[in-house]
Amino acid sequence: NAGVTQTPKFRVLKTGQSMTLLCAQDMNHEYMYWYRQDPGMGLRLIHYSVGEGTTAKGEVPDGYNVSRLKKQNFLLGLESAAPSQTSVYFCASSGETGLYGYTFGSGTRLTVV
Amino acid sequence: AQKITQTQPGMFVQEKEAVTLDCTYDTSDPSYGLFWYKQPSSGEMIFLIYQGSYDQQNATEGRYSLNFQKARKSANLVISASQLGDSAMYFCAMREGARANAGKSTFGDGTTLTVKP
Repeated sequence: NAGVTQTPKFRVLKTGQSMTLLCAQDMNHEYMYWYRQDPGMGLRLIHYSVGEGTTAKGEVPDGYNVSRLKKQNFLLGLESAAPSQTSVYFCASSGETGLYGYTFGSGTRLTVV
Repeated sequence: AQKITQTQPGMFVQEKEAVTLDCTYDTSDPSYGLFWYKQPSSGEMIFLIYQGSYDQQNATEGRYSLNFQKARKSANLVISASQLGDSAMYFCAMREGARANAGKSTFGDGTTLTVKP
């Protein structure tokens, strides 16, 4: 059982380039989330999804787009990368609200130069 | 809005001793969950322990216990018999309980714990 798999693990982008981060979970979870973690800080919610075909904005959505075409996959896109988007990105999933902790992916370290 | 406060940026503890990591929270939602996660230097996020807002007893998971004081809005993590492998960043988080809130979590800024041999 892989849990939550994020790809890629590392990426360096030039300003203005685009990329897509992939998150895949095999636990049949309804809820999926994208967070970013900046140095010395906690995690901040970018976007989330409560089921296939649904997405919603979190705390820091600007500059990102997401899609959840299949229940097991949650994609995070950067259309035009900026240095301010240099961060570690975590995907997480959960089966139900409230009572369960998240299962996290291993993270993607993104550097925008 | 929900808020999590961890006032200890860094903590030191001697191996085999107990340590308490502080966490206070603020929410107007009567139903919520409180969580602690561990982030070792390798970077992954590991779920440690959970406490529900309606739970009467403090949660325990092995060497981890959560000291839940609802009236004071605090959810401190206690690690007993510290081990060198406990050295990591620890995050307190709160998850909205209502289904309409989609289970979003708010995280504190973390506490870096260093266990000394």
